[in-house]
Amino acid sequence: DAGITQSPRHKVTETGTPVTLRCHQTENHRYMYWYRQDPGHGLRLIHYSYGVKDTDKGEVSDGYSVSRSKTEDFLLTLESATSSQTSVYFCAISESARREETQYFGPGTRLLVL
Amino acid sequence: DAKTTQPPSMDCAEGRAANLPCNHSTISGNEYVYWYRQIHSQGPQYIIHGLKNNETNEMASLIITEDRKSSTLILPHATLRDTAVYYCIVRHYNNAGNMLTFGGGTRLMVKP
Repeated sequence: DAGITQSPRHKVTETGTPVTLRCHQTENHRYMYWYRQDPGHGLRLIHYSYGVKDTDKGEVSDGYSVSRSKTEDFLLTLESATSSQTSVYFCAISESARREETQYFGPGTRLLVL
Repeated sequence: DAKTTQPPSMDCAEGRAANLPCNHSTISGNEYVYWYRQIHSQGPQYIIHGLKNNETNEMASLIITEDRKSSTLILPHATLRDTAVYYCIVRHYNNAGNMLTFGGGTRLMVKP
């Protein structure tokens, strides 16, 4: 399995509070991704990074920001959490953006916003 | 974007081959077919991918039709641990990068 960890694995927070989720990889892959998974919607891309300090938006980026100061870490921040952001968040990594390049996923973080 | 169609659920007897179909009739010539699975509460797990030729690895085989409009994932000897949701994905590139678009998938239940 790819060396990907996510922290925390579970979090309960209140509406309006800031939340930061961390993805850590030991594979030295250039690309990192944040997805959210909700019933009826599959996995949807939030943001991705193509290198240190290089990030871009995915299809559901509103309300989220990201940062990547080191190759191994990709942080997802909910500046002011809302109940609609209750979800399971998955981090993924890949060596490149080529279509034949596989993305490997982390174990996920379950976030509940009350 | 090429969409995929999969049956929502399938059953398979333990020890038998599980054949999971996927239709992707609008696939473009340079788009890859990927298969992932997700066991309850875990992250998606990569299984296999292919472009035109059939592929095999230690987990499964991927059979792609000559016209590339459909494919079949084969788990040769299904075990109870193969019970999961299986996703067929056509890998495309858009302005959000090389995202993976997961549809509804097929819920495979392997029974003793």
